[in-house]
Amino acid sequence: KAGVTQTPRYLIKTRGQQVTLSCSPISGHRSVSWYQQTPGQGLQFLFEYFSETQRNKGNFPGRFSGRQFSNSRSEMNVSTLELGDSALYLCASSENPPNTEAFFGQGTRLTVV
Amino acid sequence: QKEVEQNSGPLSVPEGAIASLNCTYSDRGSQSFFWYRQYSGKSPELIMSIYSNGDKEDGRFTAQLNKASQYVSLLIRDSQPSDSATYLCAVRAGSYQLTFGKGTKLSVIP
Repeated sequence: KAGVTQTPRYLIKTRGQQVTLSCSPISGHRSVSWYQQTPGQGLQFLFEYFSETQRNKGNFPGRFSGRQFSNSRSEMNVSTLELGDSALYLCASSENPPNTEAFFGQGTRLTVV
Repeated sequence: QKEVEQNSGPLSVPEGAIASLNCTYSDRGSQSFFWYRQYSGKSPELIMSIYSNGDKEDGRFTAQLNKASQYVSLLIRDSQPSDSATYLCAVRAGSYQLTFGKGTKLSVIP
């Protein structure tokens, strides 16, 4: 069974630009969650999607958005990039939380210059 | 504010010893508890999940949960240098998100 696939693996963007990250969950998993990981703040929850519906959102500005498609693939978008958005963005795949395990993709390393 | 606390370490243990990693959480409604291992530059890898009080063993790993004390731990027996990594405790409290601790860095000395 294939794992969680995130693309691209690395990105370098300029302040003010926007970026779209993609996540393909494990086959059969309908829940996709996104997390931001930075050295100072650790792993912080961005949002969770299940069957194309956002069920939960973390404490991030509106520049961070996401969506999920009918095949469970998910994208997140960050507009008007700031230097502080430089981070590892991780996608986690689950069958259906809360009492199910979450598996992470390799992550997308975003650098904003 | 839901919080998950871990000792940041580093925790150093000799090869073959038992490594003990601890985690406390603030939300009494927490239902699911997970331990992830993260090597430097890599993504978190799920090691153990535990949902009820008591111990759960998987190979060299044992997770322990005490909901009354709001405490979860991970024991690694016969520690190997390849176990050197940051261990993240994660808690889910009925919502769909995981709340993570900042992680404990473990170093196993050959």
